Amino acid sequence: TQLLEQSPQFLSIQEGENLTVYCNSSSVFSSLQWYRQEPGEGPVLLVTVVTGGEVKKLKRLTFQFGDARKDSSLHITAAQPGDTGLYLCAGGSIADSWGKFQFGAGTQVVVTP
Amino acid sequence: GAGVSQSPRYKVAKRGQDVALRCDPISGHVSLFWYQQALGQGPEFLTYFQNEAQLDKSGLPSDRFFAERPEGSVSTLKIQRTQQEDSAVYLCASSPQLLSILTTYGYTFGSGTRLTVV
Repeated sequence: TQLLEQSPQFLSIQEGENLTVYCNSSSVFSSLQWYRQEPGEGPVLLVTVVTGGEVKKLKRLTFQFGDARKDSSLHITAAQPGDTGLYLCAGGSIADSWGKFQFGAGTQVVVTP
Repeated sequence: GAGVSQSPRYKVAKRGQDVALRCDPISGHVSLFWYQQALGQGPEFLTYFQNEAQLDKSGLPSDRFFAERPEGSVSTLKIQRTQQEDSAVYLCASSPQLLSILTTYGYTFGSGTRLTVV
């Protein structure tokens, strides 16, 4: 059961275009992480956000945590083929303080040259 | 090692067969997690170890699933009498210390074991 809803499920764009993927929940999270997963590999951590309204930038990637800490977005500027992958968000609850994160189902992003 | 190592990478099991999946975490990592990832889905939590202690096994789908980490390093996930619904990628992840939700540490995942039950 996925407590985090990610949208869209699939996104195909041309190189150089921008894209935004979303992660929404009815639950409040203490922190939220974004991962990228490539075929045949495990997810790789991109960023962690912990403060409501927080914005973090990682080169062409911009991550935002909603004010109410129930939602997050990932924006990629001038996408490149290397950005292709499954983008997963994972939320952590204060009730699981040792670090159990609940994952969304992911958004599959395909960037074509 | 430099990363989390899982073996085997692929396993085909006949229905009813027992399987054992191995995880070698990064040396010195205290926390170890097992996740199950079905096709087209995100990882689902199975169990958590802090050193050799299994602190949470609430995600194990049935009593056919058993995990251990006897010396606080290598972990094994065992599935008895495999069923077709057990087919999935099993991911192991480790972290250098007891995680707090507010930490910027994430997990370091292995590449997973793809289990196919026929």
